[in-house]
Amino acid sequence: DGGITQSPKYLFRKEGQNVTLSCEQNLNHDAMYWYRQDPGQGLRLIYYSQIVNDFQKGDIAEGYSVSREKKESFPLTVTSAQKNPTAFYLCASSMLGTAASGANVLTFGAGSRLTVL
Amino acid sequence: RKEVEQDPGPFNVPEGATVAFNCTYSNSASQSFFWYRQDCRKEPKLLMSVYSSGNEDGRFTAQLNRASQYISLLIRDSKLSDSATYLCVVNRLTGGFKTIFGAGTRLFVKA
Repeated sequence: DGGITQSPKYLFRKEGQNVTLSCEQNLNHDAMYWYRQDPGQGLRLIYYSQIVNDFQKGDIAEGYSVSREKKESFPLTVTSAQKNPTAFYLCASSMLGTAASGANVLTFGAGSRLTVL
Repeated sequence: RKEVEQDPGPFNVPEGATVAFNCTYSNSASQSFFWYRQDCRKEPKLLMSVYSSGNEDGRFTAQLNRASQYISLLIRDSKLSDSATYLCVVNRLTGGFKTIFGAGTRLFVKA
């Protein structure tokens, strides 16, 4: 069964610690994304990557870092520079292509819920 | 003003009711449109794509009005299991490809 796997599902962090959230997909999708969701708000894009070894900042990249060493993997590190990291983090992936081809439709992982103590 | 706007609700409807959600988008370069469903504390899942000609999937009907820049979702014969948040999603190409999410409309279907 193809899909996206995020881990851990729940994570607690002390202030000043860096944490890394894992995201792995076996859908053979080119593009991968990280979003953050806060209560009552829409999803906000943190980083995205369309090809291995390349990634771009989204709307709220400050305090986060990513890597894309393999097509299947796109881990997100929440650094101590992120002042309000408590949130629900969602990883997604998509094929790239034209709207007519059905590409660019996001498939999400189950999410990682990060709480800062 | 947000690029994709939705009425946050909540919409409280009885089982069997018909309910409609609207979503407006501000960027005329928007290319493709979707409705996602998100259950509480879960990930969003694609409900349906929205085509210019309108499309139907069982009890769900989606329509796109490019001239007025809005998208609608109609749910007929509401079920308790339809209770969720419905996200309007727009893809656009201007300034680089981007997917924009609305904040969602909450629906509660009651017995």
